Amino acid sequence: EPEVTQTPSHQVTQMGQEVILRCVPISNHLYFYWYRQILGQKVEFLVSFYNNEISEKSEIFDDQFSVERPDGSNFTLKIRSTKLEDSAMYFCASSQTGIAQYFGPGTRLTVT
Amino acid sequence: SQQGEEDPQALSIQEGENATMNCSYKTSINNLQWYRQNSGRGLVHLILIRSNEREKHSGRLRVTLDTSKKSSSLLITASRATDTASYFCATDGGYGGATNKLIFGTGTLLAVQP
Repeated sequence: EPEVTQTPSHQVTQMGQEVILRCVPISNHLYFYWYRQILGQKVEFLVSFYNNEISEKSEIFDDQFSVERPDGSNFTLKIRSTKLEDSAMYFCASSQTGIAQYFGPGTRLTVT
Repeated sequence: SQQGEEDPQALSIQEGENATMNCSYKTSINNLQWYRQNSGRGLVHLILIRSNEREKHSGRLRVTLDTSKKSSSLLITASRATDTASYFCATDGGYGGATNKLIFGTGTLLAVQP
């Protein structure tokens, strides 16, 4: 069964550094998402991406964040200058129809 | 107010028993989805129920939806130790189009004792 994959599984970075989190969505899916989950808290929506552009972003998704689909298979989330409060589990999700969303295993980002 | 609040927050049962988790939400929805998350792992999609459906089954899972009460329940029958996980409901908040962002609840932590 096709799955969403994410790399790396764990990323440790220093405050102020740039990080790129990578995702390979399910191949015939058209809608892509990033969510995050701070330890012990709810899963929060960050951004949705469709037809090669951002369709919606949350308040969390400020100028430090960007997304890109550089080729036909990858979907990336970049954080330009990480802060301590960016430490969280980041989940990529994809959907064929924009309804049922399938999540990857997540990247645990630790900012020190 | 929070969209998608589950209760109970934690539930402990014996293997073989049924587990029922509830979710309440506040806005109109087009659909509601249930996900499972094992500790520190990703979210596994369990089942989706549309706003015009009242009940849906998938294996040992039974989901009900009452849009008049803005609530849903997830029943896991004949539970197994491997069902131990957190369970979340997620709604689309009634949005349409290309957005369909999910709004997650706080989750129910289910522990199934062998």
